[in-house]
Amino acid sequence: KNQVEQSPQSLIILEGKNCTLQCNYTVSPFSNLRWYKQDTGRGPVSLTIMTFSENTKSNGRYTATLDADTKQSSLHITASQLSDSASYICVVSARDSNYQLIWGAGTKLIIKP
Amino acid sequence: KAGVTQTPRYLIKTRGQQVTLSCSPISGHRSVSWYQQTPGQGLQFLFEYFSETQRNKGNFPGRFSGRQFSNSRSEMNVSTLELGDSALYLCASSLVGVTTKGETQYFGPGTRLLVL
Repeated sequence: KNQVEQSPQSLIILEGKNCTLQCNYTVSPFSNLRWYKQDTGRGPVSLTIMTFSENTKSNGRYTATLDADTKQSSLHITASQLSDSASYICVVSARDSNYQLIWGAGTKLIIKP
Repeated sequence: KAGVTQTPRYLIKTRGQQVTLSCSPISGHRSVSWYQQTPGQGLQFLFEYFSETQRNKGNFPGRFSGRQFSNSRSEMNVSTLELGDSALYLCASSLVGVTTKGETQYFGPGTRLLVL
């Protein structure tokens, strides 16, 4: 069964610190992996999209990594800011007949001053 | 360029009623997807429309339906509302919706539906 699991479920860190969020997937055949940021009460916003051949992608202070062999991805946030408080969602696209996106449940990140 | 807009933003209905939600995609985008998001759950895919045709469908009962107009605007309808339908309904648009090629989806702010 195609699944995406994220850890931790929630995380609290101090402003200025770094953090890493994890995503494990069992989606096959794999097409691409995306990370989204969702502020409370708003729609998700795309941070990165990585295909099979890409193992690192950055978007400002956000760096995503992908290990297609172990089916793991991480999102590293550097020098966190209060505005980084949000849910971060990992999404994997399966190269199947429906080309659907399999969404993780997200990691809720809280940045404290 | 205007983003994805959804109307209404908030809605309160009672069990058994029906509801219609609207989504206007980014200009030039032809694919519109709908998602349901409930607390503690990931986004659940409802359906995707492209050029007025339903291209993909998630695992939701027939009470959930949608359509897309020639200007790419889309509507979603839920009939015979149940308490469990209370959720944030999100609409996303993309150029052609080919997710395997890494196309970005742009989300609207959502419609928060409360069923009493």
